[in-house]
Amino acid sequence: EAQVTQNPRYLITVTGKKLTVTCSQNMNHEYMSWYRQDPGLGLRQIYYSMNVEVTDKGDVPEGYKVSRKEKRNFPLILESPSPNQTSLYFCASNTGTGEAFFGQGTRLTVV
Amino acid sequence: DAKTTQPTSMDCAEGRAANLPCNHSTISGNEYVYWYRQIHSQGPQYIIHGLKNNETNEMASLIITEDRKSSTLILPHATLRDTAVYYCIVSYNTDKLIFGTGTRLQVFP
Repeated sequence: EAQVTQNPRYLITVTGKKLTVTCSQNMNHEYMSWYRQDPGLGLRQIYYSMNVEVTDKGDVPEGYKVSRKEKRNFPLILESPSPNQTSLYFCASNTGTGEAFFGQGTRLTVV
Repeated sequence: DAKTTQPTSMDCAEGRAANLPCNHSTISGNEYVYWYRQIHSQGPQYIIHGLKNNETNEMASLIITEDRKSSTLILPHATLRDTAVYYCIVSYNTDKLIFGTGTRLQVFP
């Protein structure tokens, strides 16, 4: 089954404690992205990757890092989380045109 | 990427067709029209996309006007499970999708 898997689904952490949200896809897609969703603001792109070792900033990249060492994985790294990064996060993968597949989301709370 | 305008909310009776409009008057010649939906706080789900011609799949139909400045997503027989937020997006590709606030569709019994 084609899928994008994010982990964890829920996470509560404290300000400043580094964390990583993992994302993996099994469709051999070249493109992967991270979005965050906040009430009233919709989904906004954080970072995207066009292939292994190729990444670029989206609309709201501040405070986040990503890496793409393998085609299937695209982890999102928060080096020093802050309360304004409390949000619902989605990973997506796609071929570049047509259908994009989204993960089930990671609800992050930073206290 | 072009901006889209959608109604904030719509209602539809179960079993009836749901017609969701979208205006994209500044769309460029090679930008596609994509429709996604989000049920509660789940990940967005792809529905359909098109460039110029009308499209149909097992979920829905997409009608694009000849001037491409607007489109309509049609769910032919809405069910309670179709209650969701529907997003109309115009883009050259799917590596960057700009989601607006969408249309909240409520299907009632």
